[in-house]
Amino acid sequence: DTAVSQTPKYLVTQMGNDKSIKCEQNLGHDTMYWYKQDSKKFLKIMFSYNNKELIINETVPNRFSPKSPDKAHLNLHINSLELGDSAVYFCASSAEYTEAFFGQGTRLTVV
Amino acid sequence: AQSVTQLDSQVPVFEEAPVELRCNYSSSVSVYLFWYVQYPNQGLQLLLKYLSGSTLVKGINGFEAEFNKSQTSFHLRKPSVHISDTAEYFCAVSDQGNTPLVFGKGTRLSVIA
Repeated sequence: DTAVSQTPKYLVTQMGNDKSIKCEQNLGHDTMYWYKQDSKKFLKIMFSYNNKELIINETVPNRFSPKSPDKAHLNLHINSLELGDSAVYFCASSAEYTEAFFGQGTRLTVV
Repeated sequence: AQSVTQLDSQVPVFEEAPVELRCNYSSSVSVYLFWYVQYPNQGLQLLLKYLSGSTLVKGINGFEAEFNKSQTSFHLRKPSVHISDTAEYFCAVSDQGNTPLVFGKGTRLSVIA
């Protein structure tokens, strides 16, 4: 029974398209995140949600919009995709900013 | 803001040899510290964590880490590595549970047969 699951695992799309990545956690956590891992493996926080409310929004283009329909789900929608958006995107959840549990990642390739 | 420095980007080591992966963090306030491992094409898995208490923390797969407040360090150690330990290792810090995890740039551990 997967704790944090995200779909799809791979996403290949053309520049200019709009795409979404879905994330669900069954751990009962109040806090969820999106992280971006670049080609050099560096992990950077993008967004943090606590109980469906946006808490942290790091310097991310406004083409990226997170949506949390309930506290178990945090989806990421990306408009007008650019080549530089190619990366691995990780969803994670935690209880009160203790250890985060990560999904398997979504490898986004923009061509 | 918090920052984490992993001093070695790559560490090659022979099988059954000991290894230490170094991690230093910036903050002087109370922190939570973590080590994660990432195998190829997978997500991050928690190896161990320090929240409070004993400064020597034991984790999964035979790893341990020592919290040193005066040195602001949290180095990861294993006395004898296996081929299966080949992976990327990330150190992370949180301001005592008040902020999301901030990660270091990772250390690639390569175990050589």
